Amino acid sequence: SYELTQPPSVSVSPGQTARITCSGDALPKKYAYWYQQKSGQAPVLVIYEDTKRPSGIPERFAGSSSGTMATLTISGAQVEDEADYYCFSPDSSGIERVFGTGTKVTVL
Amino acid sequence: QVQLQESGPGLVKPSETLSLTCTVSGDSINNYYWSWIRQPAGKGLEWIGRVSTSGSTNYNPSLKSRVTMSVDMSKKQFSLRLSSVTAADTAVYYCSRELYDDSGGYHPFDYWGQGTLVAVSS
Repeated sequence: SYELTQPPSVSVSPGQTARITCSGDALPKKYAYWYQQKSGQAPVLVIYEDTKRPSGIPERFAGSSSGTMATLTISGAQVEDEADYYCFSPDSSGIERVFGTGTKVTVL
Repeated sequence: QVQLQESGPGLVKPSETLSLTCTVSGDSINNYYWSWIRQPAGKGLEWIGRVSTSGSTNYNPSLKSRVTMSVDMSKKQFSLRLSSVTAADTAVYYCSRELYDDSGGYHPFDYWGQGTLVAVSS
């Protein structure tokens, strides 16, 4: 079955830039979506269609994609950005949906 | 404001069937795919599957043999049944939705339920 691979953890100091990668074979053909999940809460969509931000999501969150890798960038990370982040995408057939392995972002 | 609310037993015995319902409020149930996602404690998100308002379904291949999803338009509810459960099925179960807009854009999981913990234990 299809897999999306993320680094287990990323650590940054407040105000610095965090980059989270997501690798998957179908990403050249399928959009990536990114979700933020804070402890004890349901996930929240922060990036859709590789690069777009839903309303209400701070501008410091940005997405990009090239080849088989999508990237979520948090520019000027804040303490409140500390959370687990998951990428998501359909497989190449468009039928199976897959979440990435998840990345814990620590801001300290 | 769109709201999704999961409901169902919090404890299921091994080998039995887990049954959950998600109730939709604040928007139409039409024209969406309705999805179930789960998360074992301390682990990542796993897509279980989805059902459309026309009744078509797509399931995670790893769970397909045990999963059934359905939708009740009149009650604005959709349901998950997972058979022959084991301790590995213990997780927080979330319901959510997927939209294909008129221009073909795909918008997955913009709203989520709060999640419901289901434990499998005798």
